[in-house]
Amino acid sequence: GAVVSQHPSRVICKSGTSVKIECRSLDFQATTMFWYRQFPKQSLMLMATSNEGSKATYEQGVEKDKFLINHASLTLSTLTVTSAHPEDSSFYICSAWTIYGYTFGSGTRLTVV
Amino acid sequence: RKEVEQDPGPFNVPEGATVAFNCTYSNSASQSFFWYRQDCRKEPKLLMSVYSSGNEDGRFTAQLNRASQYISLLIRDSKLSDSATYLCVVNSGGYQKVTFGTGTKLQVIP
Repeated sequence: GAVVSQHPSRVICKSGTSVKIECRSLDFQATTMFWYRQFPKQSLMLMATSNEGSKATYEQGVEKDKFLINHASLTLSTLTVTSAHPEDSSFYICSAWTIYGYTFGSGTRLTVV
Repeated sequence: RKEVEQDPGPFNVPEGATVAFNCTYSNSASQSFFWYRQDCRKEPKLLMSVYSSGNEDGRFTAQLNRASQYISLLIRDSKLSDSATYLCVVNSGGYQKVTFGTGTKLQVIP
């Protein structure tokens, strides 16, 4: 149980465009979803925490206008990378706390060219 | 000092060997601890929680040393399939205060 489905798994986009990443909790309700970013050979870094029905909480140094988070329902949270640039290329992954511990989506590898 | 520190490795060990990793944490108020496994370009997956009394799951043993503020993971009889990066995760209060270590890379060699 406790599956988090994340899409897309891989996306390549042009610089200046926006990309939306979706995370769905398939068999449980996630009032809170965590969004992480992982650069090569680095640890997972928390970007923001999305809360269903309210504004997301962003970590220091993360631009809220660039990384738009929406958590409109108990089963869906989205992260939109707006006006993407090559330095935004990274592995983005969502996670939710469940009775089984932290359950992660399968991640999205974003490449901005 | 980083909140959570791990030796990045890589640890290159032959099949059948026993290998151990440590992870130190700086916040003495940390409450719960986990080991996750992350394969290349994949999401982390929970390997095991770490209990105060220590716990074992097959070939894997996890221990917590609160006095010295570290947790450890011991893998016995290493398999090729154990090759991965092992992440230490520390929870410092509430499910939102979670810090990941940078991971320790293990490579099991035939």
